[in-house]
Amino acid sequence: AQTVTQSQPEMSVQEAETVTLSCTYDTSESDYYLFWYKQPPSRQMILVIRQEAYKQQNATENRFSVNFQKAAKSFSLKISDSQLGDAAMYFCAYRSDNAGNNRKLIWGLGTSLAVNP
Amino acid sequence: GAVVSQHPSWVICKSGTSVKIECRSLDFQATTMFWYRQFPKQSLMLMATSNEGSKATYEQGVEKDKFLINHASLTLSTLTVTSAHPEDSSFYICSARRRSYNEQFFGPGTRLTVL
Repeated sequence: AQTVTQSQPEMSVQEAETVTLSCTYDTSESDYYLFWYKQPPSRQMILVIRQEAYKQQNATENRFSVNFQKAAKSFSLKISDSQLGDAAMYFCAYRSDNAGNNRKLIWGLGTSLAVNP
Repeated sequence: GAVVSQHPSWVICKSGTSVKIECRSLDFQATTMFWYRQFPKQSLMLMATSNEGSKATYEQGVEKDKFLINHASLTLSTLTVTSAHPEDSSFYICSARRRSYNEQFFGPGTRLTVL
C-alpha cells in the first residue's frame, strides 16, 4: 500500500523569505501523480501544484515549485517570496494511475505553515 | 470552471436525528465523487468513493449503514448521517473528479455538530 509522509508538523517563515516543505512517499508503482494542496483557515482545499511521475521536469506555478526526486521518492514544495496569505495547512498527496482503486488520493498528515510579518 | 458546492455549510442537530449533506458539481459532470471526514488539525480521512449510478465503495472501518452515500446523477452526491451522535461531529468534505482529469475538485466542506 502507498503511504505519504510529511515529517514537519509545523513550519514558519518570514514574509518575503523562502521555505521548503518536505514530503516523502512509498510506492511500488511507476505511474502516479503527486499533489500539494493548501487548506487555509476557511478549510477550502486548494490545489497548489501537481507533478506527473513520468515527467522529469519539476513543476512550477508562480512562486511555488517542487523538487521531485523519483528515485528517492521525495516531493518537496518550495514557496518563494512568502506572503501572509500563504499561511495554511499544506498537504502532500499521492494518486495512483491505476483506475482500479478509483484513483483515490493518499494523504500526508499535513504541515502547518505560519508566515511571520 | 470546476466548482463544487456543498450544502449546508454548517448544521447543528440533536442526537438521534439524521442529517443529509449535498455535494454538487456546478459546471462539470462528476464521474466520481469522494467523501472525506476531517478532525481539527488533522488530515483528510477518506470515507467512501461513489461512481454515478453505482453503490458507494466504503473504506475499511466506515459504517455503511450509518453513512449513506447516494450518487444519483453526474452532478449530485449526498451523504446522510443516520442517527447522528456527538462523536459524528466533524468537518465533512466532498470532492469530485471528472473523466480523464487527474485532479479532484473540492467542496468548501460542511461542519456537523451533534448535540
